[in-house]
Amino acid sequence: DAKTTQPTSMDCAEGRAANLPCNHSTISGNEYVYWYRQIHSQGPQYIIHGLKNNETNEMASLIITEDRKSSTLILPHATLRDTAVYYCIVRVYGDSSYKLIFGSGTRLLVRP
Amino acid sequence: GAVVSQHPSRVICKSGTSVKIECRSLDFQATTMFWYRQFPKQSLMLMATSNEGSKATYEQGVEKDKFLINHASLTLSTLTVTSAHPEDSSFYICSARGPAGQIEAFFGQGTRLTVV
Repeated sequence: DAKTTQPTSMDCAEGRAANLPCNHSTISGNEYVYWYRQIHSQGPQYIIHGLKNNETNEMASLIITEDRKSSTLILPHATLRDTAVYYCIVRVYGDSSYKLIFGSGTRLLVRP
Repeated sequence: GAVVSQHPSRVICKSGTSVKIECRSLDFQATTMFWYRQFPKQSLMLMATSNEGSKATYEQGVEKDKFLINHASLTLSTLTVTSAHPEDSSFYICSARGPAGQIEAFFGQGTRLTVV
C-alpha cells in the first residue's frame, strides 16, 4: 500500500543538479513525505523529510507542491557517490505507530 | 544521526535451523523498531513493527510464528527466523524511530541471510 510513484530510473552528469520527482496524490493532510536512499547492499540512509514547506539540509532540498500531491528531491551538485536507489515515502499511521512503507524507488545513476 | 547496528551482517544456515538477528540502537532509546525484508532488485517490504515490552504487530501475509520478534529492552530488538528454508534467504533490515524530538527512522546496515 505504498502511496508514492516514482520514475524507475534516472541519470545525471556529475556536478549537475539531480532532480528526482515523486507523486503522492493520495497523501493526507498530516502525512509527512520522507526521502531515503539505499546504496547497494546497505541499509537505507535518511536524506530529508517535509510536511508542507520546502526544506533544505546539508544533503538535499525538498520541494513540495502547494497541493502536496507531488514533491521533488534536489541534489544540488551530484557526485558519483550519489549513485543509489532513492525512495520517496509517505509516512502512514498503522495499527500501533507510524511506519514507513517503501515504494519501488528511483535508481539514480550519476555519470562521470 | 542516530546509530542503529545489526548483527550479524551475514549469516549462512542450514535448512530447518533457526537464526537470530539482533538490532541495537547504540546511542538512543528506541521504543519502536521495524523489521523489513528485501529480495534482490526489489524494494524493502515491512514485516512487522516492534514496540518495547509488547507483542509485535505483523504486516498482512507475514507469518508471526515463523518470524519471531522480541523487543525486550529499549535498545534491542531481535528477529528469529525459525525453521529456515531457502526461500527465506533475503536481506533483512531493521530500523528504529529516532530519539525523542526526531521523527525520522534510522536503519541498520542489514543482514544477508542465506539458507542452504
